[in-house]
Amino acid sequence: GAVVSQHPSRVICKSGTSVKIECRSLDFQATTMFWYRQFPKQSLMLMATSNEGSKATYEQGVEKDKFLINHASLTLSTLTVTSAHPEDSSFYICSARDPLADSYEQYFGPGTRLTVT
Amino acid sequence: AQSVTQLDSHVSVSEGTPVLLRCNYSSSYSPSLFWYVQHPNKGLQLLLKYTSAATLVKGINGFEAEFKKSETSFHLTKPSAHMSDAAEYFCVVSDWGYGNKLVFGAGTILRVKS
Repeated sequence: GAVVSQHPSRVICKSGTSVKIECRSLDFQATTMFWYRQFPKQSLMLMATSNEGSKATYEQGVEKDKFLINHASLTLSTLTVTSAHPEDSSFYICSARDPLADSYEQYFGPGTRLTVT
Repeated sequence: AQSVTQLDSHVSVSEGTPVLLRCNYSSSYSPSLFWYVQHPNKGLQLLLKYTSAATLVKGINGFEAEFKKSETSFHLTKPSAHMSDAAEYFCVVSDWGYGNKLVFGAGTILRVKS
């Protein structure tokens, strides 16, 4: 099956710094990738949809200047949390859609746990 | 708008007994429905999916789910629980009318007692 990786798996940063999270589709080209956030003991909430070569589409309530998304190639999307604060601590999960497969299915990465101190 | 309601936040069963995780959905169009499983500190794994074909869907690890349009339900079942089934399960709806975005239910934590 299709594989999506994320790096790093865990990151701890100080308040006010920026953190970049990478999401890669390893064996397929993903024209569309998605970024989700999962708070402890809660469900996944879609943050934004990332399309290769164009600007990301953010969900209502998500600050696009704080969560910068870049999808520069068909296999890589990055999420940069700028000027991170403790309330940004969360589990961030990306997913990717294979345009050659079922149009509804998304393949999920293993997630990145961000802790801001 | 589309939405998903998982009727139980926690389900506890004994090993070897049946599992039932309940899910109701709301969608204005023709939805696709999924069940994902998430083990602690792990990513999401697709168990099964319904995309307008057979209403009874068989997935991995002995799980299956039945799409019932009249009841707007997509309950997940397994005849006999195994200890390794202990995890969190998410029911998810997607619809072309909403850009194929996935909308997740709140999740059901399954506990399996020995």
